[in-house]
Amino acid sequence: DIQMTQSPSSLSASVGDRVIITCRASQSISTYLNWYQQKPGQAPNLLIYVASSLQSGVPSRFSGSGSGTDFTLTISSLQPEDFATYYCQQSFRPPFTFGPGTKVDIK
Amino acid sequence: EVQLVEFGGGLVQPGGSLRLSCAASGFTFSSYTMNWVRQAPGKGLEWVSYISSSSNTIYYADSVKGRFTISRDNVKNSLYLQMNSLRSEDTAVYYCARRKDSSGSNDYWGQGTLVTVSS
Repeated sequence: DIQMTQSPSSLSASVGDRVIITCRASQSISTYLNWYQQKPGQAPNLLIYVASSLQSGVPSRFSGSGSGTDFTLTISSLQPEDFATYYCQQSFRPPFTFGPGTKVDIK
Repeated sequence: EVQLVEFGGGLVQPGGSLRLSCAASGFTFSSYTMNWVRQAPGKGLEWVSYISSSSNTIYYADSVKGRFTISRDNVKNSLYLQMNSLRSEDTAVYYCARRKDSSGSNDYWGQGTLVTVSS
């Protein structure tokens, strides 16, 4: 199975900060990497698919990059509504594993 | 508007069974692969199962293989998860999610249904 790791596991940031979250796969997954945002009590929301494609309706301050085993999610200027937990997920082969999540909270 | 609504969750004793349903609307259900994803209280997301649009291809997480069965009814626009031999570690919110396309991402999710396995 493909294992997914994320770093950091949590971070504190201020509104306006640039935030970078990394995700690493235990083997190459090409660009089959997706990013989700989840707020407490809500279902996950797709932000980025195939590593760098912005899902429709998602603000352009979110961007993704990477291929192979190393990926990043960048929030260019953190907004109050961005405080949430972020998950990566590989869709290269089953089981379609998620990373453990990165919680972004207010500094 | 795409909508996914799960129901069927509840409290069940260890070793018991439960059948979850997911009602889909607002899109051509028969054209999309679907997934079940769960989240234990206070924990991260765990992919559970996958079913292709015509039910030809099915996958399960090792943690549920042999105990859970995914199925769908493209006439009723519904997705199902039959859960047998339930364990305390199956306690979670269960989400159904639409697979977007060949990217494998999940672009629409239901609100989730809580399954609690406890005596």
